[in-house]
Amino acid sequence: GAVVSQHPSWVICKSGTSVKIECRSLDFQATTMFWYRQFPKQSLMLMATSNEGSKATYEQGVEKDKFLINHASLTLSTLTVTSAHPEDSSFYICSASPSGSWDYEQYFGPGTRLTVT
Amino acid sequence: DAKTTQPPSMDCAEGRAANLPCNHSTISGNEYVYWYRQIHSQGPQYIIHGLKNNETNEMASLIITEDRKSSTLILPHATLRDTAVYYCIVRVQGGNKLVFGAGTILRVKS
Repeated sequence: GAVVSQHPSWVICKSGTSVKIECRSLDFQATTMFWYRQFPKQSLMLMATSNEGSKATYEQGVEKDKFLINHASLTLSTLTVTSAHPEDSSFYICSASPSGSWDYEQYFGPGTRLTVT
Repeated sequence: DAKTTQPPSMDCAEGRAANLPCNHSTISGNEYVYWYRQIHSQGPQYIIHGLKNNETNEMASLIITEDRKSSTLILPHATLRDTAVYYCIVRVQGGNKLVFGAGTILRVKS
């Protein structure tokens, strides 16, 4: 149980285009989902916290207009990288906390590798 | 949340126990110690967590010192598939953020 999927697993796009990444909790409902970014040989950095039915909370330094997050259902959150540039190339990872989890236990997706050319 | 300090890398022979240390000298009374690992190009995987008592599950054991200022994750019989980056994270239970540090790169060698 507690499986989180991401789609796509990797994507290549041209500079200036937008890319949408999906994060799904497959066997549980998730009120809260988290989006992380990881550059090569670096640790995960939290970008934003996504709550179902409300606006996402972004970490300091993360542009909310560039990284659009939508959490429209209890099993799906999406991250859209708008007007992508080569410096946005990174490994994007989501995690999900089961609804009713008093401990905000997080289950992580497999990640999406974005390459912007 | 308190900060943690881990060695940047460690080697371990296959079949032997891997002992990964973590210092968290500023931990407060309501903060738990969590361990995750990340195998190359995958999402992190939860391993174990604890408050002050030693904990064991099917993956590992967690030993927390009496003063709670440090802990050790023990993989009792390391395999090549345990090669990964191991993250020690201190978090208030009920807190909704995980802050990842640099972690320890564990290399299990045959």
